[in-house]
Amino acid sequence: GAVVSQHPSRVICKSGTSVKIECRSLDFQATTMFWYRQFPKQSLMLMATSNEGSKATYEQGVEKDKFLINHASLTLSTLTVTSAHPEDSSFYICSAKGANYGYTFGSGTRLTVV
Amino acid sequence: QKEVEQDPGPLSVPEGAIVSLNCTYSNSAFQYFMWYRQYSRKGPELLMYTYSSGNKEDGRFTAQVDKSSKYISLFIRDSQPSDSATYLCAMSADSGNTPLVFGKGTRLSVIA
Repeated sequence: GAVVSQHPSRVICKSGTSVKIECRSLDFQATTMFWYRQFPKQSLMLMATSNEGSKATYEQGVEKDKFLINHASLTLSTLTVTSAHPEDSSFYICSAKGANYGYTFGSGTRLTVV
Repeated sequence: QKEVEQDPGPLSVPEGAIVSLNCTYSNSAFQYFMWYRQYSRKGPELLMYTYSSGNKEDGRFTAQVDKSSKYISLFIRDSQPSDSATYLCAMSADSGNTPLVFGKGTRLSVIA
């Protein structure tokens, strides 16, 4: 089946630094990647949608200059949290979709900003 | 009214019980319906995928879709402690690349 690898699984960073999260589709080409944020005991909140080679489309209220999304290839998308602050601490999850594949999720990244 | 409504629970059942999880939705354009299971601090994993109305069975899991009532269900037979997780319903209007619309998720605990 389709597999999406997401790294790192956990990261702790200092306030003001940037963190990059990678999401790779291992055995299929992901034409579209979705990035979600999830707070404890809550559902997934869509942050942005990115199509390979295009600029990401951000949901209302998501700062595109803070959450930089790159989808330069059909197997890799990255989310960079710039100038991270404690309120950015959360669980970030990617999801990839290919032409003949459904929505496959990564295992998530727990970001803690101290 | 939210597009997808799901009771967040928590729901606690004894081992071996039949579990019924449900979602209602308001968008009649939804045609693709999914159930995901999410363990704590992990990404969601697809359990069931159904197109349009009808039933689908896979082992101990049965998914039902009633489009006329805008109501979907997931049944878990002979529930096990390993079924303890959050179950998210998700749906989409097309098979293209539009984002899924999720319910809030129902936290299930199966007690041994």
